[in-house]
Amino acid sequence: GQQVMQIPQYQHVQEGEDFTTYCNSSTTLSNIQWYKQRPGGHPVFLIQLVKSGEVKKQKRLTFQFGEAKKNSSLHITATQTTDVGTYFCAGPSLGDDYKLSFGAGTTVTVRA
Amino acid sequence: EAGVAQSPRYKIIEKRQSVAFWCNPISGHATLYWYQQILGQGPKLLIQFQNNGVVDDSQLPKDRFSAERLKGVDSTLKIQPAKLEDSAVYLCASSNSGTSGTEQYFGPGTRLTVT
Repeated sequence: GQQVMQIPQYQHVQEGEDFTTYCNSSTTLSNIQWYKQRPGGHPVFLIQLVKSGEVKKQKRLTFQFGEAKKNSSLHITATQTTDVGTYFCAGPSLGDDYKLSFGAGTTVTVRA
Repeated sequence: EAGVAQSPRYKIIEKRQSVAFWCNPISGHATLYWYQQILGQGPKLLIQFQNNGVVDDSQLPKDRFSAERLKGVDSTLKIQPAKLEDSAVYLCASSNSGTSGTEQYFGPGTRLTVT
């Protein structure tokens, strides 16, 4: 079955620094979604990418969908304490697009 | 608009006991999902409903888990009997489309501890 993998599992960042987290799927995806879960909270939708090579920005967050639609990345610039949490990517497989598979997430901590 | 409601928020039971969780999705959302999230892992889909019909329950341990959405609105998830490995957060989510091409809105979850 489909597997969605995320690296790194943990990201410790100095406040103000940039970092990138990566998401890779074992199968081609019709779209990729990113969610953020704050400590003790529930996943909250951030963005959806649909097109091959698509890039979307939300303030300091830049999301990219790979050309082969099997990988994605999230880049955060000038990390702030409000960025603390776990970032999940999730995607359905081609031909099975109602079933969303989540990666294990990248847990981000920020040193002030 | 009101978000996805879940109750209870916390539940502690002993193994072999039964437990039930309730979810009320966002008004008008036809699709409802139940996920299991074990500590340190991503949510794992247990079952998906489209209105009151089951779309996917391939990862639901049917020997002990059951779920229903009788009137196509709120839903219950039951575990009977519970095992230690069922300790997790059970998340309910809803969306307004039958495909995963649209965002899912999650409830606060029910944290289950089985002792």
